[in-house]
Amino acid sequence: DAGVIQSPRHEVTEMGQEVTLRCKPISGHDYLFWYRQTMMRGLELLIYFNNNVPIDDSGMPEDRFSAKMPNASFSTLKIQPSEPRDSAVYFCASAQSLAKNIQYFGAGTRLSVL
Amino acid sequence: DAKTTQPTSMDCAEGRAANLPCNHSTISGNEYVYWYRQIHSQGPQYIIHGLKNNETNEMASLIITEDRKSSTLILPHATLRDTAVYYCIVQDSGSRLTFGEGTQLTVNP
Repeated sequence: DAGVIQSPRHEVTEMGQEVTLRCKPISGHDYLFWYRQTMMRGLELLIYFNNNVPIDDSGMPEDRFSAKMPNASFSTLKIQPSEPRDSAVYFCASAQSLAKNIQYFGAGTRLSVL
Repeated sequence: DAKTTQPTSMDCAEGRAANLPCNHSTISGNEYVYWYRQIHSQGPQYIIHGLKNNETNEMASLIITEDRKSSTLILPHATLRDTAVYYCIVQDSGSRLTFGEGTQLTVNP
């Protein structure tokens, strides 16, 4: 398996624009997680899905952020409209189960909002 | 309140064992100890986890004290590629992982 695949690796956009980050989890993994990492706040969980259903979105900062998982092999994290403070590295991770909680992370998307 | 306490940074000579400590004095009986690491510009990587017993895999060993209030991650023969931030996480099975600040391990030639 190629692991968790995220795209794009880098995204530069202007304030107010819509940004869509994409993630393909490892096949057979029932859990998908979206994290954000900044110098100030470290690595934060934004939302996670189980079998394509959002379970906990308490980490989503505000209504400008939304995440979807239309099928088991694809998820998106959308920011609309984007703001400079959204600049961060966004990671997607997947896991077979929460019982073992072994999460496999993608390489991340580095987002810069100007 | 943080569940774990780790040193901010550590150094280790290449080829020597790296011993990374973690204090988790308030750990409860059903909480596991997980270790992840994050190499610069990469996503975090799972290393090992345990509940009570010591654990070993191809990457590292995890030593948990009998009272479970602290643990040590051991990289037996550190290489330059082991330079990373190491996160010790205490969590219930089935709960979301919460990453702290971790320990920056620098392996020196």
